[in-house]
Amino acid sequence: AQTVTQSQPEMSVQEAETVTLSCTYDTSESDYYLFWYKQPPSRQMILVIRQEAYKQQNATENRFSVNFQKAAKSFSLKISDSQLGDAAMYFCAYRASGNTPLVFGKGTRLSVIA
Amino acid sequence: GAVVSQHPSRVICKSGTSVKIECRSLDFQATTMFWYRQFPKQSLMLMATSNEGSKATYEQGVEKDKFLINHASLTLSTLTVTSAHPEDSSFYICSARTSGTKTQYFGPGTRLLVL
Repeated sequence: AQTVTQSQPEMSVQEAETVTLSCTYDTSESDYYLFWYKQPPSRQMILVIRQEAYKQQNATENRFSVNFQKAAKSFSLKISDSQLGDAAMYFCAYRASGNTPLVFGKGTRLSVIA
Repeated sequence: GAVVSQHPSRVICKSGTSVKIECRSLDFQATTMFWYRQFPKQSLMLMATSNEGSKATYEQGVEKDKFLINHASLTLSTLTVTSAHPEDSSFYICSARTSGTKTQYFGPGTRLLVL
């Protein structure tokens, strides 16, 4: 079974600084997708970034980027120029190709200090 | 981005009653819908997967007779919690995806409190 591990229950970052959230996963599949979702206090799940396993280039979305290391099964999220609105729970998620559901990690709570 | 709505956003009911939660995809056809449950300060736990027009597939440990899922159309799925008890109190989140696409989109969630 696929598993997703987030080893940092909580992280904090100073406003305008950079923070990296860690995620590792376990799978025997060769074709899959990885995601980072943000869950603010409203509890609405918001997609932050997506990475296809077949792509070697790391995905980037404005201030958010990933470091995808396929051989190491590692998928970290880097948030640059952190803003107060980035404070939230961040969930790493995995999905195999095909009609399969997302498997989530336990989440990392990010605090942004003004 | 795609929009998924849920109704109601919050419901309080007495023990023993049934509660229905609706999940709608507003601007796309959701060939597959997923129902998750989230306890406070925990991650999302998948309850079941439903494909339009088919019976839902439940995860191990989820009682299909207690959590009835219907996915009768490409834009609507419902979760009915039958004979709810206080231990069913939780945050229920639906998610939807169109066949062939990569991303799941999430509804805003429903907070259920059973007294």
